[in-house]
Amino acid sequence: EVQLVESGGGLVQPGRSLRLSCAASGFNFDDYAMHWVRQAPGKGLEWVSGISWNSGTTGYADSVKGRFTISRDNAKNSLYMQMNILRPEDTAMYYCAKGSTYQLTHTWFDPWGQGTLVTVSS
Amino acid sequence: QSVLTQPPSVSGAPGQRVTISCTGSSSNIGAGSDLHWYQQLPGTAPKLLIYGNSNRPSGVPDRFSGSKSGTSASLAITGLQAEDEADYYCQSYDSSLSGMVFGGGTKLTVL
Repeated sequence: EVQLVESGGGLVQPGRSLRLSCAASGFNFDDYAMHWVRQAPGKGLEWVSGISWNSGTTGYADSVKGRFTISRDNAKNSLYMQMNILRPEDTAMYYCAKGSTYQLTHTWFDPWGQGTLVTVSS
Repeated sequence: QSVLTQPPSVSGAPGQRVTISCTGSSSNIGAGSDLHWYQQLPGTAPKLLIYGNSNRPSGVPDRFSGSKSGTSASLAITGLQAEDEADYYCQSYDSSLSGMVFGGGTKLTVL
């Protein structure tokens, strides 16, 4: 069974940093691109970032470009998101999602993890 | 303001048919990018419902169907059931933004 388990969320002050992790199992992790998608409380879904199978290509939403860095460790079947200079508007549930191919683009997301909540507040 | 436009809400009685529209532009759906649909039940993570415009993953009932034409796409749900009450999101790739984009979501209420 394909499983994605996020961790690392929590309450953080504006301007501080946080690192999210996603542990994957049940599939060949290094065959697929991986993504982070977030959902602010009561709002819709927003693609945040994605990384190709070999980390050769990464992509970011304009809202996080320059502040967030996505990475992966295929040896550990793990995906990460380093979030710096956090803002209150970054408050959201952050989901890890498996892409449909090894490429970053033209993909759908399946499955999704259960999410980890990030709250940015003083 | 979402790149893909969905109606905020739709409703229908049990057994009825409802459709949810998703309108894009020449940089996403109109450019030939595939359209995908997700169902998000209250308090849970989104789940893939339709991929590649009209394909259902295994386990998704054939009451759910998708179509795409021009710069728009639609999700149809027939034989509406109480458990279909959820938020539905469309998603595609946008070449101008070089990233994946979502619709704002549609809340389906089963009357």
